[in-house]
Amino acid sequence: EVQLVESGGGLVQPGGSLRLSCAASGFTISSYWMHWVRQVPGKGLVWVSSINSDATNTNYADSVKGRFTISRDNAKNTLYLQMNSLRAEDTAVHFCARVAGSSWSYWYFDLWGRGTLVTVSS
Amino acid sequence: DIQMTQSPSTLSASVGDRVTITCRASQSISIWLAWYQQKPGKAPNLLIYQASSLESGVPSRFSGSGSGTEFTLTISSLQPDDFATYYCQQYNSYSTITFGPGTKVDIK
Repeated sequence: EVQLVESGGGLVQPGGSLRLSCAASGFTISSYWMHWVRQVPGKGLVWVSSINSDATNTNYADSVKGRFTISRDNAKNTLYLQMNSLRAEDTAVHFCARVAGSSWSYWYFDLWGRGTLVTVSS
Repeated sequence: DIQMTQSPSTLSASVGDRVTITCRASQSISIWLAWYQQKPGKAPNLLIYQASSLESGVPSRFSGSGSGTEFTLTISSLQPDDFATYYCQQYNSYSTITFGPGTKVDIK
């Protein structure tokens, strides 16, 4: 079955760190740009970060730039999001997602994980 | 950055109704727009890409149209499984992806 499964979420104090993982199965991530998208419970979707197939190109939303780092291990078929200096406003469900193709004209999300909840609170 | 708006924010409808949701971009995005359906506690599900292309497996009662800055998602005959929140998303370049704020379709 083609799927993405996130892990690593949880409760962390402001200023703390977490590392999210996204394990892919049923396909190889090495052929795809991969992204993180988050959603505050009850609110809308917000794009967070993207990484190209060989990890030579990354992009970040202004709200996380300098604090979050996206990475990937194609051998392990896994995507990561290192989250540092966490703030209360980072509290959200974090989804990993695959886009349909390598060109930006295919940057719609055709596969999503179920998400992992990150809660930043003292 | 390109900003996306959606209208209405909430829509009350009955089974069998024809439903239309509008999404507007702050600048032209050609046809680079997707639509998603999301149910509570679930991940979004791709419905439409490139403004009007139906994703495989999505019922044909869903359709999309538009180009430039104005787009619509139409559900031709609303079914019980369609009560959900719908988001548009622009992907105009390798820069920031942005989503609309969502339209919740609930039961009248």
